[in-house]
Amino acid sequence: SQKIEQNSEALNIQEGKTATLTCNYTNYSPAYLQWYRQDPGRGPVFLLLIRENEKEKRKERLKVTFDTTLKQSLFHITASQPADSATYLCALDLAGGGADGLTFGKGTHLIIQP
Amino acid sequence: DAGITQSPRHKVTETGTPVTLRCHQTENHRYMYWYRQDPGHGLRLIHYSYGVKDTDKGEVSDGYSVSRSKTEDFLLTLESATSSQTSVYFCAISSLELDGEQFFGPGTRLTVL
Repeated sequence: SQKIEQNSEALNIQEGKTATLTCNYTNYSPAYLQWYRQDPGRGPVFLLLIRENEKEKRKERLKVTFDTTLKQSLFHITASQPADSATYLCALDLAGGGADGLTFGKGTHLIIQP
Repeated sequence: DAGITQSPRHKVTETGTPVTLRCHQTENHRYMYWYRQDPGHGLRLIHYSYGVKDTDKGEVSDGYSVSRSKTEDFLLTLESATSSQTSVYFCAISSLELDGEQFFGPGTRLTVL
């Protein structure tokens, strides 16, 4: 069956350290993979997109990797801050370009401890 | 924030009543989507639209219908609401130029008693 798995438990990280979130998928072949941030009571906010032919993407303190052989994406937040505490969602774009919508994981709740 | 609003923001209704949720955008984006978000399931696609009068079903479309008569509005209708449709509903917009990046609305919390 098709599955997208993200860390099911909350992830507690000390301020200043690097937070690494995992997204594993099975029986999908996404063209693109996206990461979103969601705060309580709010809609998701886009962070980064990586294509199947790209290994790594960076944006400020954020880095995402995409390994289509392992069927895994890693999302890193360096020099983490309490303001980074949120739920982070991995989303698969199967066709590329997003026209057919996204398939989301359940999210990882990240807590940055001061 | 992208120009996307949802109405109503909260609604409580009874089983069997019809409900319509509205998504309005001011970005002139071609693609619009309806998702629902439930504990333990994450966001799931209900229906989407790739232009005026052009819509298609998503993963969890049973019990829902949509309409898009104008670029800026995408309506989600529950013809006869059931308790299993209690959820938070999010609208999202995108365009080809954005490579699939989606902008989400603030959500509508719907409770069906």
